Amino acid sequence: DAGVTQSPTHLIKTRGQQVTLRCSPISGHKSVSWYQQVLGQGPQFIFQYYEKEERGRGNFPDRFSARQFPNYSSELNVNALLLGDSALYLCASSTGTGYDYEQYFGPGTRLTVT
Amino acid sequence: GIQVEQSPPDLILQEGANSTLRCNFSDSVNNLQWFHQNPWGQLINLFYIPSGTKQNGRLSATTVATERYSLLYISSSQTTDSGVYFCAANSGNTPLVFGKGTRLSVIA
Repeated sequence: DAGVTQSPTHLIKTRGQQVTLRCSPISGHKSVSWYQQVLGQGPQFIFQYYEKEERGRGNFPDRFSARQFPNYSSELNVNALLLGDSALYLCASSTGTGYDYEQYFGPGTRLTVT
Repeated sequence: GIQVEQSPPDLILQEGANSTLRCNFSDSVNNLQWFHQNPWGQLINLFYIPSGTKQNGRLSATTVATERYSLLYISSSQTTDSGVYFCAANSGNTPLVFGKGTRLSVIA
């Protein structure tokens, strides 16, 4: 079975630009969560979506937004990029809503903002 | 919210040695997971273990929920075990909180 997939793998953007990252969950999983991991730290929660509805949001500015599509895939958008947005962005999927379910992570998108 | 602390922060082992990684958490947990992050950044699921003991090959994990800690055991370590090991937990209706990780280096 295919795992969680993310695209693109790497991305280089300039400060002030906008970026869209994509995630496809494991087949049968209806929940997608997004995490940001900066160098040397553990991942930090950004959003959770279940059945196309936002179910949770972490402590991130409004420049970060996301959505989930009818096929349960998801996009993370970041506007007005700052140098500090450079990080590995990870997507995770699980079978149910809430955070009690086992989370499975994709390979990540490495974003560099110059 | 829940706090997750991992120790030690760094660990260097000779190939074939055994090790124990520790994860302390500040509240009762609904979800506790151990991950191995490889050099390319992929988080590999090792265990989903909010309580009890599990084993998978050379790896095993124990969570003592009443005492708020979890242990990851690695036996007969190999160079491919190198990387960062993360513990993550949630409590109530809060998202997973990750510790800062243990960086393991296994030397041949």
